[in-house]
Amino acid sequence: DAKTTQPTSMDCAEGRAANLPCNHSTISGNEYVYWYRQIHSQGPQYIIHGLKNNETNEMASLIITEDRKSSTLILPHATLRDTAVYYCIVRVGLTGANNLFFGTGTRLTVIP
Amino acid sequence: DAGVIQSPRHEVTEMGQEVTLRCKPISGHDYLFWYRQTMMRGLELLIYFNNNVPIDDSGMPEDRFSAKMPNASFSTLKIQPSEPRDSAVYFCASNLQGPQNIQYFGAGTRLSVL
Repeated sequence: DAKTTQPTSMDCAEGRAANLPCNHSTISGNEYVYWYRQIHSQGPQYIIHGLKNNETNEMASLIITEDRKSSTLILPHATLRDTAVYYCIVRVGLTGANNLFFGTGTRLTVIP
Repeated sequence: DAGVIQSPRHEVTEMGQEVTLRCKPISGHDYLFWYRQTMMRGLELLIYFNNNVPIDDSGMPEDRFSAKMPNASFSTLKIQPSEPRDSAVYFCASNLQGPQNIQYFGAGTRLSVL
């Protein structure tokens, strides 16, 4: 069941920040926001996740609004290798039993 | 760790033949998932295991599909008999239940049934 809404596609200039939005207005209090990406012909790759605080790791930053109804994934300096489909997923944390529902994602194209 | 390992990477077979896909999860992970990806349906869950026990197989399309996990380091997805509509990329993923709860995916097996 689709719990998230993402734009179908986005372009970003190489070296600039890529900001990928996601709406999850029906998110529950115990659901986390996860981001994965899938580079062509590869398996999905975990990027980052968060509950309500902003998160940052070596790949990206995740900004979650205070009401938790939307979030933004930020790739600070996009490279050509970041061209991929990005999936925003909400799932209950702390249990492995919840599979990931991927939806259609956002196809990000990084332009030279 | 080498990550989730799937074999073969590519499989071409004829309709009616048996196909077996293999997966080695990350050592220590207690959940294993099988997904299928097609252009029409996207990425969809077929079945998942917890501690080698199948928990939810509601995504398995038909009785032609079966999955086993004989031990913590190996799982198979079998299609018998295969049909052209089974052509897809099949992904295996593993997960360790805990605070991070991150699924790690293999590179996938691209199956073509002629």
